[in-house]
Amino acid sequence: GIQVEQSPPDLILQEGANSTLRCNFSDSVNNLQWFHQNPWGQLINLFYIPSGTKQNGRLSATTVATERYSLLYISSSQTTDSGVYFCAVYGNNRLAFGKGNQVVVIP
Amino acid sequence: DAGITQSPRHKVTETGTPVTLRCHQTENHRYMYWYRQDPGHGLRLIHYSYGVKDTDKGEVSDGYSVSRSKTEDFLLTLESATSSQTSVYFCAITADRNTGELFFGEGSRLTVL
Repeated sequence: GIQVEQSPPDLILQEGANSTLRCNFSDSVNNLQWFHQNPWGQLINLFYIPSGTKQNGRLSATTVATERYSLLYISSSQTTDSGVYFCAVYGNNRLAFGKGNQVVVIP
Repeated sequence: DAGITQSPRHKVTETGTPVTLRCHQTENHRYMYWYRQDPGHGLRLIHYSYGVKDTDKGEVSDGYSVSRSKTEDFLLTLESATSSQTSVYFCAITADRNTGELFFGEGSRLTVL
């Protein structure tokens, strides 16, 4: 099946710092999503981004489907950005999740 | 927010008892999924449904059964709960499994003693 790798697995940020999370996938995909799992366990949709670039406030995402990767940018991080960020892709008739990026933002 | 409701949100039960988790959606989406999330394992697919009375197994289906008698409801049943089924269970829905955006419910935390 399709493989999804996220990096870095763990990240500690000082509040106000910027960061980039990466999602690599092993095959062509029909869609790609980024989710944020907050400390209360809720899975929040961030971006549906099979290709191109999108922005939502301090967050933005870019997917380069031909090179099989997606990037999630967090700018001016806040403590509420803490949690786990998951990348999910649909390809080869299967939905696959990465293991996530654990992000801790310290004040 | 996608209209997905999971119930119960929290449950503690004893080994050997039956448990049913319910996922209810108001979006009329065709595809529904049950996942479990455990430390070190991420999200794993238990069962999924492509429509009423149309279900199939995922990667960790042993010990679980599902039913979908109405578009809006997808039930996950543990016929005889075991401690290894202690987990957080998430329901997810999408209108199109190839290109549709996936939405998750808030999760159901199950503890089997």
